[in-house]
Amino acid sequence: EIVLTQSPVTLSLSPGERATLSCRASQSISTYLAWYQQKPGQAPRLLIYDASTRATGVPARFTGSGSVRDFTLTITSLEPEDFAVYYCQHRKNWPPRFVFGQGTKLEIK
Amino acid sequence: EFLLVESGGDLVRPGGSLRLSCTTSGFMFKKYAMSWVRQAPGKGLEWVSAMSGTGDTTYYEDSVKGRFTVSRDNSRDTLFLHVSSLRADDTAIYYCARHLGTTTTVGWYFDLWGRGTLVTVSS
Repeated sequence: EIVLTQSPVTLSLSPGERATLSCRASQSISTYLAWYQQKPGQAPRLLIYDASTRATGVPARFTGSGSVRDFTLTITSLEPEDFAVYYCQHRKNWPPRFVFGQGTKLEIK
Repeated sequence: EFLLVESGGDLVRPGGSLRLSCTTSGFMFKKYAMSWVRQAPGKGLEWVSAMSGTGDTTYYEDSVKGRFTVSRDNSRDTLFLHVSSLRADDTAIYYCARHLGTTTTVGWYFDLWGRGTLVTVSS
């Protein structure tokens, strides 16, 4: 069973700074990884899929990278609306099973 | 505008059952696989179930297998989740989510989400 481990659990930064969030898979998952943003009281929003493809309407300051087991979501120059919880997600090929990381909370310092 | 609206959540006693609905609009529902994803209070996201666009194939997370049943009515653009034998650890917001891209089976990611419906299991 694939496990996704996100780090750090909490990241405290100021607007304008650069955020680097990590997601590590317990085994190789190629580039089958997505990133979601969730704000309090809201549904998750797809940001990145296939490790590095930005979803429709996602600002260019969000960049996904990585492959095999180690993945990174980078947010350059944080905007106030970027402070949220971020989850990574993978789908096992067969039978399909979807797994999420435990989340990283990006909070204002 | 793409819309997914969940309903049917309620306070229910352990062992009870509910039917959750997800009404959609703005896209060709029958072309898309759909999933239910839940989130316990203050916790992370947990995938529950998926169904192909035609309804031919379904998948479940192990802890809900045999207790939850996903279905869809493509003539009404609606996804359902029948939840039964409910336990306290089923307490969560239940989101429906559209799979990214049209496919004959299920997709890899979720590109549209509803706002969720709260299921509370308590005596």
